[in-house]
Amino acid sequence: SQQGEEDPQALSIQEGENATMNCSYKTSINNLQWYRQNSGRGLVHLILIRSNEREKHSGRLRVTLDTSKKSSSLLITASRAADTASYFCATDSGSARQLTFGSGTQLTVLP
Amino acid sequence: EAQVTQNPRYLITVTGKKLTVTCSQNMNHEYMSWYRQDPGLGLRQIYYSMNVEVTDKGDVPEGYKVSRKEKRNFPLILESPSPNQTSLYFCASSLSLAGANVLTFGAGSRLTVL
Repeated sequence: SQQGEEDPQALSIQEGENATMNCSYKTSINNLQWYRQNSGRGLVHLILIRSNEREKHSGRLRVTLDTSKKSSSLLITASRAADTASYFCATDSGSARQLTFGSGTQLTVLP
Repeated sequence: EAQVTQNPRYLITVTGKKLTVTCSQNMNHEYMSWYRQDPGLGLRQIYYSMNVEVTDKGDVPEGYKVSRKEKRNFPLILESPSPNQTSLYFCASSLSLAGANVLTFGAGSRLTVL
């Protein structure tokens, strides 16, 4: 079952602008993660935020989590053409340590 | 280099011809999983394994089999492939980091069933 749903499905911005992607989910979670996928390649883990955290930073990435609204956002600041990729949120909500992925946001950063 | 290796990377086959996609990790991870990725559907879990000889169904297990005889290997078996199994397949493994399941993915195997 699909837990996370990203919004928007596609986003196109100019280099140097900030990119914001949102993720909504349905059930309570242990943590939420964001992954990046370059076209046709494997996913790469970017950042994890636990259910008792509200905000986390890693380099140009900022993730927020609002458990009352069951939503998270990923902000990429000062975007670069190399940030062009698909971004997926994944929720960890079970004792079996399964991750459930959303359908992703395709980000295009124009030079 | 720590990695998850899948083979083959690309495969075209015909309906009904059994095939195996191999997956191997060199990180001593206990947890391994298979996902398929289809346009507009994101990643859906096929099977996962918490440890050697322990496997469980994910969200879309029909038409697939797996085995976990050794810690490092987790092959995906399609006994009788059908065209609806045409997809991009990913193997992933993880080492629990303070209880969190952070996945390392393979590069993917693109399968076409004619």
